[in-house]
Amino acid sequence: DAGVTQSPTHLIKTRGQHVTLRCSPISGHKSVSWYQQVLGQGPQFIFQYYEKEERGRGNFPDRFSARQFPNYSSELNVNALLLGDSALYLCASSGGGGNTGELFFGEGSRLTVL
Amino acid sequence: AQSVTQPDIHITVSEGASLELRCNYSYGATPYLFWYVQSPGQGLQLLLKYFSGDTLVQGIKGFEAEFKRSQSSFNLRKPSVHWSDAAEYFCAVAPLGGYNKLIFGAGTRLAVHP
Repeated sequence: DAGVTQSPTHLIKTRGQHVTLRCSPISGHKSVSWYQQVLGQGPQFIFQYYEKEERGRGNFPDRFSARQFPNYSSELNVNALLLGDSALYLCASSGGGGNTGELFFGEGSRLTVL
Repeated sequence: AQSVTQPDIHITVSEGASLELRCNYSYGATPYLFWYVQSPGQGLQLLLKYFSGDTLVQGIKGFEAEFKRSQSSFNLRKPSVHWSDAAEYFCAVAPLGGYNKLIFGAGTRLAVHP
């Protein structure tokens, strides 16, 4: 079975631009979470979606938004990019029917803002 | 506020030596506790977790961790390190029932000498 897939794997944007990152969860998983990992730091929680509804939001500005589609895939959108948004964006899925407490992470989308 | 501290940024051990990675958390109640590993170019993988019960938990790849409430610690151990264990290790805490919204420490990068 395929794991969590994210696209694109790498991208470069300039300040002020907008970016959309995409995530496909493991088949059968209904929850998707997004994390930002700045170089040298641990991942920081951005959003969680379950059954297309937002279930949690971390301490990020309104420039960050997300949504989940009927097939449980998800998009993370960031507007008006800043240099500080350069990071690895990780998507994680969970909720395959058994509450194991485990998140399954994708390999991430590395965003560089110039 | 909830937080996780991993005091050691880098650790180097020789192959075959024992390993202990430290983790301290700040949380009002007993949280859910996790250790994840991140290898270069890969997503995070769950090593083990503690929800309740036996304070010594076994994980994958020969790792174990011990929860000590009195010290607010959840240290990761392995009796004999293999070269393939070189990676970055993250301790994380989740509010009760909220394992999708993890709070990660800054990580400990492990190097293994042959």
